[in-house]
Amino acid sequence: DIQMTQSPASLSASLEEIVTITCKASQGIDDYLSWYQQKPGKSPQLLIYDATSLADGVPSRFSGSRSGTQYSLKISRPQVDDSGIYYCLQSYSTPYTFGAGTKLELK
Amino acid sequence: EVQLVESGGGLVQPGRSLKLSCAASGFTFSNYGMHWIRQAPTKGLEWVASISPSGGSTYYRDSVKGRFTISRDNAKSTLYLQMDSLRSEDTATYYCATTGSSLIDFWGPGTMVTVSS
Repeated sequence: DIQMTQSPASLSASLEEIVTITCKASQGIDDYLSWYQQKPGKSPQLLIYDATSLADGVPSRFSGSRSGTQYSLKISRPQVDDSGIYYCLQSYSTPYTFGAGTKLELK
Repeated sequence: EVQLVESGGGLVQPGRSLKLSCAASGFTFSNYGMHWIRQAPTKGLEWVASISPSGGSTYYRDSVKGRFTISRDNAKSTLYLQMDSLRSEDTATYYCATTGSSLIDFWGPGTMVTVSS
């Protein structure tokens, strides 16, 4: 199984910062990597697919990138509404695996 | 507008069965792969099973293989998850999701399954 090591587990950021969340895959996944945002009591929403493509309707302050087998989600000048838990997902091979999640709090 | 609505969750005793349904609308259901993902209370997300557009190919995580069956009725635009021999560790909110831009794109609101005596 492919392991997705996500970090940090939580972070608190100000509205002026650039927030970066990373997921490192245990092997190559050919950019089959998505990012999701989940708010309390709600289902996850797709933010980024194919590592770098922005999903429809997602603000341009969200972006994705890759360096080797490490994938990153960046939020530039986050808004209060960006609070929530963020997950990565590898869909290169079954069993598809999620990162453990990053809880983002905006202060 | 894409809509997915899960149903069939509830409280069930260990060893018993439950069948979840997911009613889809707003897209051509028969053209898209579908998935079940679960989330135990206060825990992260876990992929459970997937099915191809025709239903001819299915995929499962090891812990549910032989106990859960994913299926679909394209005429009714409905996805199913038959869960047999349920265990306490199957307690979770179960989401159905469709392939779109990403393999797992749009998610339903979920249905809660509690396995307890």
